[in-house]
Amino acid sequence: QVQLQESGPGLVKPSQTLSLTCTVSGGSISSGDYYWSWIRQPPGKGLEWIGYIYYSGSTYYNPSLKSRVTISVDTSKNQFSLKLSSVTAADTAVYYCARVVAAANWFDPWGQGTLVTVSS
Amino acid sequence: NFMLTQPHSVSESPGKTVTISCTRSSGSIASNYVQWYQQRPGSSPTTVIYEDNQRPSGVPDRFSGSIDSSSNSASLTISGLKTEDEADYYCQSYDSSNQVFGGGTKLTVL
Repeated sequence: QVQLQESGPGLVKPSQTLSLTCTVSGGSISSGDYYWSWIRQPPGKGLEWIGYIYYSGSTYYNPSLKSRVTISVDTSKNQFSLKLSSVTAADTAVYYCARVVAAANWFDPWGQGTLVTVSS
Repeated sequence: NFMLTQPHSVSESPGKTVTISCTRSSGSIASNYVQWYQQRPGSSPTTVIYEDNQRPSGVPDRFSGSIDSSSNSASLTISGLKTEDEADYYCQSYDSSNQVFGGGTKLTVL
């Protein structure tokens, strides 16, 4: 049973870079059948796809966030990471990591999520 | 880019049937799979339907999915409503460059 767990600072100052890591357990991040994704949800609002990465390092980003997003993978640690630069209060959200079944673009399972607040 | 439009909220009584729609703004709904996720308050989303109409193991057959090319929309139908079905439901699909979630529908079972 694959499980994902997000980790990182819960508070980031405006204009700084948000950094989160997702640790995958119960399965290998190097499986060719999956992408590894970040999604966010502002308080009281809907879901927004941020981007995903293949184990080889190929990345795909939401066009609306592409200029500020970097997703990377560390197969030796079975982890992948998110960096979001130049954050503002609008980036305050619960950030989820999820596995994506490549054949169907199906997000499952999801991590429990971590709230990141952007505030001085 | 395209959008997926869902009703903001729906409500129905226990034991009844409810259908939640998800309309794609451009491009064919049939060209890319649609998934449906359930999100209870304070929890992360879980899948109730994948690949338009498939149920993951553990999801009761009260949940079903379909697509309608004539209206360019997908639908999630929940029959025999239970109070535990009360949650937010999100549709999701994609194209060659983007993954898109609908805005979510709050289901109230009263």
